[in-house]
Amino acid sequence: EVQLVESGGGLVQPGGSLSLSCAASGFSFTTYWMSWVRQAPGKGLEWVANINKDGSKGYYVDSVKGRFSISRDNAKNSLYLQMNSLRAEDTAVYYCARDDWQQLKDWGQGTLVTVSP
Amino acid sequence: QSALTQPASVSASPGQSIAISCTGTSSDIGGYKYVSWYQQYPGKAPKLIIYDVSNRPSGVPDRFSGSKSGNTASLTISGLQAEDEADYYCSSYTNTRTLGVFGGGTKLTVL
Repeated sequence: EVQLVESGGGLVQPGGSLSLSCAASGFSFTTYWMSWVRQAPGKGLEWVANINKDGSKGYYVDSVKGRFSISRDNAKNSLYLQMNSLRAEDTAVYYCARDDWQQLKDWGQGTLVTVSP
Repeated sequence: QSALTQPASVSASPGQSIAISCTGTSSDIGGYKYVSWYQQYPGKAPKLIIYDVSNRPSGVPDRFSGSKSGNTASLTISGLQAEDEADYYCSSYTNTRTLGVFGGGTKLTVL
């Protein structure tokens, strides 16, 4: 059974930083791209970032470029999202997902990030 | 504004059938077979219900079906049940960037 478990969310002040983690199990982690998707309160889904299989290339939505960094540790079956210079508009539930040709086959339960003074 | 266009809401009675449309361009839906649909209940994570335009993951009822014509994809739910009341999102591979694109979501109400 595929499991994706996010952690690291919480309350942070504007301009602050937060690091999210996603522990993966139940599939061959090294054979899939991975993605982070977020959902602001009451809003739709937004693709934030994805990363290739060996972790050498990460890609970002324009609104987070230069502030967020996606990475992975294939030895630990883990995905990460380092978020810096956080803004109120980054407030959302962040999901990690197994990415197969930009189709998200499995999702974690999500972790809430709240950016507020 | 989302890259893919879906109706904001649809409603129907139990037992009826509905179709949710998702309109894109030749750079996404029209050009590739990698169209997917997700079901999301309030407070829960999205769940994949259709991939590769028309394939269902194991465990998804065959009441759910997907199709595509030109730049528009559709999700059809037949024999509506109360448990189908949820938000539905379409998504597609796109050649304009390495991230996929989502529709704005459609709220399905079962009357």
